[in-house]
Amino acid sequence: EAQVTQNPRYLITVTGKKLTVTCSQNMNHEYMSWYRQDPGLGLRQIYYSMNVEVTDKGDVPEGYKVSRKEKRNFPLILESPSPNQTSLYFCASRVLKGLSSSYEQYFGPGTRLTVT
Amino acid sequence: KQEVTQIPAALSVPEGENLVLNCSFTDSAIYNLQWFRQDPGKGLTSLLLIQSSQREQTSGRLNASLDKSSGRSTLYIAASQPGDSATYLCAVLGYQKVTFGTGTKLQVIP
Repeated sequence: EAQVTQNPRYLITVTGKKLTVTCSQNMNHEYMSWYRQDPGLGLRQIYYSMNVEVTDKGDVPEGYKVSRKEKRNFPLILESPSPNQTSLYFCASRVLKGLSSSYEQYFGPGTRLTVT
Repeated sequence: KQEVTQIPAALSVPEGENLVLNCSFTDSAIYNLQWFRQDPGKGLTSLLLIQSSQREQTSGRLNASLDKSSGRSTLYIAASQPGDSATYLCAVLGYQKVTFGTGTKLQVIP
């Protein structure tokens, strides 16, 4: 089954304790992206990756890091989490190029992060 | 910078009504536009995707249109049902970046 998986689904942590949220897709998609969703602000793009070893900032990259060492994985790293990073996080992937591709985005189930 | 606006922010209609949700964007250089629904506390469910070369897409009771020149997309829901109650989001996909609207919260009253 084609899917994007995220782990963990729920996480409560304390300020300053480094954490990683994993994202994996099994569709051989070139493009992967991270979003955060906050009430009243909608979904905002944090980072995206066009392919292995190619990453770039979205609209709200501060306080986050990413890496893309393999095509299927795109982890989100919070080196020193703060309470303002409490949010619902989504990972997504899509094809970047192809003759018949519709470039539809596929989303993971979300990770609810609370930083106290 | 792409900006995406969805109006109205909330909508309440009686069951059976046809309704239209709006999505407008400022930069017409888009790859495609995707509509999602989101139930409270849940993930995103893709409804329809319109490529930049298309003008509309249909799936069941849903029809989405795209007018790039005017920077608008509409999602038409026919014969609304209580199960349609959710937040509807549009996402504008550029080659690199993706911009979401803040959504329209729909309530269909039985």
